[in-house]
Amino acid sequence: EVQLVESGGGLVQPGGSLRLSCAVSGFTFSNSWMSWVRQAPGKGLEWVANIKQDGSENYYVDSVKGRFTISRDNTKNSLYLQMNSLRAGDTAVYYCARAWNLDSWGQGTLVIVSS
Amino acid sequence: DVVMTQSPLSLPVTLGQPASISCRSSQRLVHSDGNTYFNWFHQRPGQSPRRLIYRVSNRDSGVPDRFSGSGSGTDFTLKISRVEAEDVGVYYCMEGTQRPTFGQGTKVEIK
Repeated sequence: EVQLVESGGGLVQPGGSLRLSCAVSGFTFSNSWMSWVRQAPGKGLEWVANIKQDGSENYYVDSVKGRFTISRDNTKNSLYLQMNSLRAGDTAVYYCARAWNLDSWGQGTLVIVSS
Repeated sequence: DVVMTQSPLSLPVTLGQPASISCRSSQRLVHSDGNTYFNWFHQRPGQSPRRLIYRVSNRDSGVPDRFSGSGSGTDFTLKISRVEAEDVGVYYCMEGTQRPTFGQGTKVEIK
C-alpha cells in the first residue's frame, strides 16, 4: 500500500523558517518524481514544487522561488521542503504527492505563519 | 502560464441523477511525447485530494465506473453518470503537461 506521511508543520512567525518532511512507503521512492502541493484555508489547490527521481531537476511555483527548496533522500525514502522567509500568504496545509501528475497524496501538514 | 478554468464553480445535484463539470485550458495540452497529461481530482470535506482520472479519460484504481473523463485540446469534461452521496466535495481539474496547474475547483453538493 502506498503511504505518504508529512510532518514538520506548525506555527512560525513571518520571516521564519520551517522544514517539512514526507516519509514514504509502499513503492520505489527512487523511481518517482515527487511533489509538494498546498491549500490555503478554505481555498483551492496550488502546486508548489517538484523534484526528479535523482534530485537533478526541480521546479517551483513563482511565488516561492528563492525562498523554498525541495530535496530528497532516496536512502531514507524521504522528501523535504525547506521553507525560508515565510509570509502570511504561505499559511496552508502542505501535501506531498507522488509523481508529476500526483497519483497519491499524504494527509497533509498545517503551516501557520503568524505573529 | 497555463490557466485552467472550471465551470460551474458550484453544482447542486440530485442523488441518482447525472452531473457534469467542464474545464477549459488557456493552451492546448498536448505534450511533446504525444500524450495529454490532464487529470481530475476529488476532495471530500476534511480529506486529502484523490486522483480520479489521468490522461483525460483513464480511471485510477478503485474509482467507480460512474466517473468518466473526456475531451481534447483545450476542453475537458468530467461526468458522473448517477451521483451518490459519497460524491460530494470539491472536484479539481489539473494539467500536468507543463507545470502542474489546477482549476479553481467545483463544489458538488446534494440538493
